[in-house]
Amino acid sequence: DIQMTQSPTSLAASVGESVTITCLASEDIYGSLVWYQQKPGKSPQLLIYGATILEDGIPSRFSGSGSDTQYSLKINSLQPEDFASYYCQNGLSTPRTFGGGTKLELK
Amino acid sequence: EVQLVESGGGLVQPGRSLKLSCAASGFTFSSFAMAWVRQAPKKGLEWVATITSGGSNTYYPDSVKGRFTISRDNAKSTLYLQMDSLRSEDTATYYCAKEGARGTFDYWGQGVMVTVSS
Repeated sequence: DIQMTQSPTSLAASVGESVTITCLASEDIYGSLVWYQQKPGKSPQLLIYGATILEDGIPSRFSGSGSDTQYSLKINSLQPEDFASYYCQNGLSTPRTFGGGTKLELK
Repeated sequence: EVQLVESGGGLVQPGRSLKLSCAASGFTFSSFAMAWVRQAPKKGLEWVATITSGGSNTYYPDSVKGRFTISRDNAKSTLYLQMDSLRSEDTATYYCAKEGARGTFDYWGQGVMVTVSS
């Protein structure tokens, strides 16, 4: 099974700042990396797939990058609604494994 | 508008069974693979099961293989998860999810809580 390791597990930032979350796959997933956002008490929401492709309706301050085993999610100019948990997911193969999550908190 | 509405959760004793349902609307249910994903309290996401669009193929992680069964009724646009031999570690919110392109879960239900405890 492909293991997904996210870092950091938590992150504190202020409105207007930029942050980066990283995700490391245990083997090459050929760009098949998915990012989700989950707000407290809510279901996850698809943000990015194919490592770099923004889902419809997702603001352009979110961006994804990476290849092979290393991937990143960057959020520019943080807005109050961006403080949430973020998960990466292996989109290449079954089992569909998730990273452990990153909780983005307001500083 | 895509809607996924789960039901059937609750409190159940270890070793007992429970069946979850997910009513889908707003898309052609029979054309898409569907999945269940769970989240233990204060923990991350764990994929639990996938079923192909026609229902002929199912997939599970080792943690639930042999105990959980995913199924679907395309005529009723409904997804199911039969959970047998439940354990305390199965306590979680269970989400129904539609599988989209490129290995994504592009729509999620609101989730249903399952608590396994004596």
